[in-house]
Amino acid sequence: DAGVIQSPRHEVTEMGQEVTLRCKPISGHNSLFWYRQTMMRGLELLIYFNNNVPIDDSGMPEDRFSAKMPNASFSTLKIQPSEPRDSAVYFCASSQGETQYFGPGTRLLVL
Amino acid sequence: EDQVTQSPEALRLQEGESSSLNCSYTVSGLRGLFWYRQDPGKGPEFLFTLYSAGEEKEKERLKATLTKKESFLHITAPKPEDSATYLCAVPDSNTGNQFYFGTGTSLTVIP
Repeated sequence: DAGVIQSPRHEVTEMGQEVTLRCKPISGHNSLFWYRQTMMRGLELLIYFNNNVPIDDSGMPEDRFSAKMPNASFSTLKIQPSEPRDSAVYFCASSQGETQYFGPGTRLLVL
Repeated sequence: EDQVTQSPEALRLQEGESSSLNCSYTVSGLRGLFWYRQDPGKGPEFLFTLYSAGEEKEKERLKATLTKKESFLHITAPKPEDSATYLCAVPDSNTGNQFYFGTGTSLTVIP
């Protein structure tokens, strides 16, 4: 099993640019989660999907953030426009049942 | 409100020096307590799930225990390769989907 796949692994961009993070969950998992991790705040849930439907997006910091899951094998997290305070590691996780399995993360730096 | 607190924030041990990490939780209904290991530059890796007070689970030098208010991760005779950040999490009491993570304990095992 390939596990959760995320791309890109690293992204450096300038303030104001659009950033798109991608995730492929483990095949057969019906829930997908987007997290953000920083030194100050630890792991924070941004949004999660169940059967491709967004269930709770209360963790999305502002309207600049959006997430989609067009099918069971793909999800995107978009930041437009990006700001320096968005710099963090973004993780995608998937689950079938309660245990969540995490991808390797995307390290985002907004200059 | 469901929440998780971990202590200590950081722990340095000599190789072979056993110790314990603490995870205190407050939930209205426990749906399980999850332990993860996170290595630098990687996503959290699932270790254990505990569901009821008195339950114990072991994996190599790690043993997790659970009471009604807290969980301990005991590390027996640690080795340098056990160095990592250890995270605990509880699912949301109502939905079971959203995880609340602690801020983690950073463990360093010195040869």
